[in-house]
Amino acid sequence: AQSVAQPEDQVNVAEGNPLTVKCTYSVSGNPYLFWYVQYPNRGLQFLLKYITGDNLVKGSYGFEAEFNKSQTSFHLKKPSALVSDSALYFCAVSTLTGGGNKLTFGTGTQLKVEL
Amino acid sequence: GAGVSQSPSNKVTEKGKDVELRCDPISGHTALYWYRQSLGQGLEFLIYFQGNSAPDKSGLPSDRFSAERTGGSVSTLTIQRTQQEDSAVYLCASSPQFSGANVLTFGAGSRLTVL
Repeated sequence: AQSVAQPEDQVNVAEGNPLTVKCTYSVSGNPYLFWYVQYPNRGLQFLLKYITGDNLVKGSYGFEAEFNKSQTSFHLKKPSALVSDSALYFCAVSTLTGGGNKLTFGTGTQLKVEL
Repeated sequence: GAGVSQSPSNKVTEKGKDVELRCDPISGHTALYWYRQSLGQGLEFLIYFQGNSAPDKSGLPSDRFSAERTGGSVSTLTIQRTQQEDSAVYLCASSPQFSGANVLTFGAGSRLTVL
């Protein structure tokens, strides 16, 4: 069975500072990894994904994530946080094999960016 | 339509009543998913539909839950004899096809409160 762990329920960072939201995964076979963001009272929006190729993936709003196979991690990063980045962030994994097309989500990390 | 549309946006019901939640996916998307978002629980997979194939119902939590997709488009999630633990936000998503690499487009959700 595939699973995702987001070890931090909340991350606080000052505006202008770099941010990291952590994610580790467990899956049989090669993973497809995703980050989604949920702003208050809105649906989930896609940020970025890793399918294959370059381990560093760049996405919307200046976010990027690095796939690390040895550490089974896919941490979300941004060099300089904005107050408007405050939202709930979900990491998710799927795979090609055995019905793994279903996206399995983590429990989410609330990011709070303060002035 | 331009996005995934869900209705109602909010539903308050009494314990023991039946409820129906509706999802209208993006036109042309053949894959449709239902997830449940509970506080502190992340997103829980419920069911998905792909074209004319049999749906994957492996995530439905009990036989009180069922879903249909008529004509390969609109889907209805039905919860019979609702319980308080069914209170959650029910999210629908669609994607162009059934692939682990595809990005899901989510609706804004239907918030269900069971009194």
